[in-house]
Amino acid sequence: DTGVSQDPRHKITKRGQNVTFRCDPISEHNRLYWYRQTLGQGPEFLTYFQNEAQLEKSRLLSDRFSAERPKGSFSTLEIQRTEQGDSAMYLCASSLRVLGRRDTEAFFGQGTRLTVV
Amino acid sequence: AQSVSQHNHHVILSEAASLELGCNYSYGGTVNLFWYVQYPGQHLQLLLKYFSGDPLVKGIKGFEAEFIKSKFSFNLRKPSVQWSDTAEYFCAVADKLIFGTGTRLQVFP
Repeated sequence: DTGVSQDPRHKITKRGQNVTFRCDPISEHNRLYWYRQTLGQGPEFLTYFQNEAQLEKSRLLSDRFSAERPKGSFSTLEIQRTEQGDSAMYLCASSLRVLGRRDTEAFFGQGTRLTVV
Repeated sequence: AQSVSQHNHHVILSEAASLELGCNYSYGGTVNLFWYVQYPGQHLQLLLKYFSGDPLVKGIKGFEAEFIKSKFSFNLRKPSVQWSDTAEYFCAVADKLIFGTGTRLQVFP
């Protein structure tokens, strides 16, 4: 499968614990996005990367959330001291940005469903 | 700042009815616009996209959308819906790919 893959698919954690999710984008894609989605809502932008550079982080995101893309390939999203309100589907997407050309569309992974109990 | 507004939160139609879902955006740069669909239990998939050129774009499964720059709109249309079109539909605007809140479409036979 050469699409976007996310791991794990499901995560149940106790409140106060830290969790880390991984995203492997399509191999030639240089842009990577993280979103959070709750039932009946659209994907809420969290952050995005161009290669290893984090271009923007949502102002709505607390300091408990951090993301990295150390080598410009896979990315991790960490949530520290989880709260029940963090329960959601966390989506990753990737696209190709070529200077002077149009982006490809973003391709999405299946998501990681987080449940905080 | 980028933003997207979808006016219809829940649409219920009978098969063969025509569909139009509204999308308005706000973005000061060069606009890239998308419609994505999410079928129950599946991940987001691209329906169609607009980058430049002909403002009427055609996508998969008979969907089309019209970019009207003066109205900052990118409405999705389909002349005759099918039961299999039941899904959530999301409009999005790039550069950083911001999504609207979505429209839930239910099509009854």
